[in-house]
Amino acid sequence: QVQLVESGGGVVQPGRSRTLSCAASGFLFKSYGMAWVRQAPGKGLEWLAYIWYDGSNKFYSESVKGRFTVSRDNSEDTMSLQLDSLTGDDTAIYFCARAPYGKAFDYWGQGTLVVVSS
Amino acid sequence: DIQMTQSPSSLSASVGDRVTITCRASQVLRNNLGWYQQKPGKAPKCLISDASRLQDGVPSRFSGGGSGTEFTLTISNLQSEDVATYYCLQHHSFPYAFGPGTKVDI
Repeated sequence: QVQLVESGGGVVQPGRSRTLSCAASGFLFKSYGMAWVRQAPGKGLEWLAYIWYDGSNKFYSESVKGRFTVSRDNSEDTMSLQLDSLTGDDTAIYFCARAPYGKAFDYWGQGTLVVVSS
Repeated sequence: DIQMTQSPSSLSASVGDRVTITCRASQVLRNNLGWYQQKPGKAPKCLISDASRLQDGVPSRFSGGGSGTEFTLTISNLQSEDVATYYCLQHHSFPYAFGPGTKVDI
C-alpha cells in the first residue's frame, strides 16, 4: 500500500536551517509529482511546494520562495525540503503528499513537527 | 494568484442531517478542485478529486459538485465520525491554494 513517512523535524533556532525528508513506498515514486504542505498550530493547511515527477520543475508559495528548496531522489524514493532562514512563523507540522500533476493530493504522510525557537 | 474562500467557517448539526460546505475561487478552476477531511491530530485525507469524484473507500454519503468558481461538498446523513475540519484545494494553477477550512461539529 502507498506509504509516505516524513522525518527530520525537531527544535531549531531562528535563522538556522533544517532538512525534512519524505520516504515513499508502495507505488512507482518516479512517476508522480509530490508536494509539501504545512499546518501551523491551530491554523489551516498551507501549500508550500511542488516538484514534478522527474524533478525538472519546482513551484513554491510566495511565503517560502527563496528560503525553502524542494528536491527528490528517484533512485531512493525520497523527497526533501530544505528550510533556510527559519523564523517562528515556520513553526508547523510539515506534511508530504503524493500529488499527480493536475490532480488532487491522494495520499499523505503523518507529518513531522518543526519548532523554531531559541 | 487564485484566492479560495469557504463558507461557513464552522457549523454544528445533528446526526442524520445533510450539510453543505461551499468553496469559491477567484478564478475559473474548471474541475481542478479537491476536498480533504482532517480529524484532530491526524493528517488530511482526500475525499473528493476532480470536484466530484469520490475517492476509493470514502463513504457514499460524501459528494462533491460544482465547477468553474463555485464548488460544494455535501455530507448527507451526517455521522459522529464526520466531526472534522474540511478543506478545499485548487490544483488548477500554481501557486496551489487551500481554502481556510470549515469545522464541522455534532
